[in-house]
Amino acid sequence: AQSVSQHNHHVILSEAASLELGCNYSYGGTVNLFWYVQYPGQHLQLLLKYFSGDPLVKGIKGFEAEFIKSKFSFNLRKPSVQWSDTAEYFCAVKGGANNLFFGTGTRLTVIP
Amino acid sequence: GAVVSQHPSRVICKSGTSVKIECRSLDFQATTMFWYRQFPKQSLMLMATSNEGSKATYEQGVEKDKFLINHASLTLSTLTVTSAHPEDSSFYICSARLHNEQFFGPGTRLTVL
Repeated sequence: AQSVSQHNHHVILSEAASLELGCNYSYGGTVNLFWYVQYPGQHLQLLLKYFSGDPLVKGIKGFEAEFIKSKFSFNLRKPSVQWSDTAEYFCAVKGGANNLFFGTGTRLTVIP
Repeated sequence: GAVVSQHPSRVICKSGTSVKIECRSLDFQATTMFWYRQFPKQSLMLMATSNEGSKATYEQGVEKDKFLINHASLTLSTLTVTSAHPEDSSFYICSARLHNEQFFGPGTRLTVL
């Protein structure tokens, strides 16, 4: 069975601070990894994804994530956050032919 | 990117009534759509996978007779919550698969009084 854990439930940062949100998964085989963002009152949007190749993936709005296979991790990073990054962030994993499985989400609040 | 719409965005109903939620892929055809449920401060929980022209596949613990899913065309899937009760109040989100990605609708907030 696959599972996804996001250890940070709520992160509060000041503008220009660096961000790292943790995501760990459990699945023994090949995985596709995703980060989604949900801005207040809006629907889920894809930030970035990893299928294969370079484990450092760059997404939209300056976000990036690194797939570390040995650690079963896919942490999301941004060097300098903005107030507009305030949102809920979800890590998701798709293992093999399984469906997409979501983490519990991390709420990011950026203080101007 | 691909766009998925849901209607209605918000519905309030009395206990015992049925509510239908529509999910449409606006600019692409989707043979597979998904229905999720999201409780406050929790993750999205997959309820069922909707396949065009065939029966939906329900996740364990989801009552198929209570949550009726119909995927009659390549651009439309419907979720009907039958005989709704207050515990069915939640945020329901659909998504449609295109190639190897899923695109999400804006969600429907259901409140059962």
